[in-house]
Amino acid sequence: EIVMTQSPAALSVSPGERATLSCRAGLSISSSLAWYQQRPGQPPRLLIHGASNRATGIPVRFSGSGSGTEFTLTISSLQSEDFAVYYCQQYNNWPLTFGGGTKVEIK
Amino acid sequence: EVQLVESGGGLVPPGGSVRLSCAASGFTFSTRAMTWVRQAPGKGLEWVAGISNGGGSTWYPDSGKGRFIISRDNSESTLHLQINNLRPDDTATYFCSHWSTGGNWFESWGQGTLVIVSS
Repeated sequence: EIVMTQSPAALSVSPGERATLSCRAGLSISSSLAWYQQRPGQPPRLLIHGASNRATGIPVRFSGSGSGTEFTLTISSLQSEDFAVYYCQQYNNWPLTFGGGTKVEIK
Repeated sequence: EVQLVESGGGLVPPGGSVRLSCAASGFTFSTRAMTWVRQAPGKGLEWVAGISNGGGSTWYPDSGKGRFIISRDNSESTLHLQINNLRPDDTATYFCSHWSTGGNWFESWGQGTLVIVSS
């Protein structure tokens, strides 16, 4: 099983600032990585697939990068609706696995 | 618009069974592989089962093999998850989702149904 490690566990950011979230895979997963946003009481929402491809309807302030074992999700200018928990997920190997999440909080 | 509506959750005693359902609409159900993901209260996400578009192939993590059974009825656009021999650590919200046609990322999600395993 590929272990996905996200850091930091929590991040305090002021509205309008940039947030950078990291995800590390225990083995190389090429670009087979997705990012999800989960607001309180809501299901996850797909943001990014293929490490850097925004899903339909996702604002351009969300961007993904990386390949192999190191990945980054960047939110260029945080809006109020972006304060949430973010998860990465690898789909290169079975079983599909998620990271533990990064909570982005208002500073 | 894609809609996935889960049902069947509730309070179940340890050792019991539960059958969850997911009613799908807004897309051609028979063409999409489907899946279940769960989330324990206050915890992260865990993939628990997947099934091919025709139902001929199923996938589970080792942790769920033998107790989790995923199935589908394409004539009714409905997905099911049977969980047997329930344990307290199966307490979670169970989300229905479909994989993208381009890879096994979770494209759309339902609101989830909560299963509580307790005596």
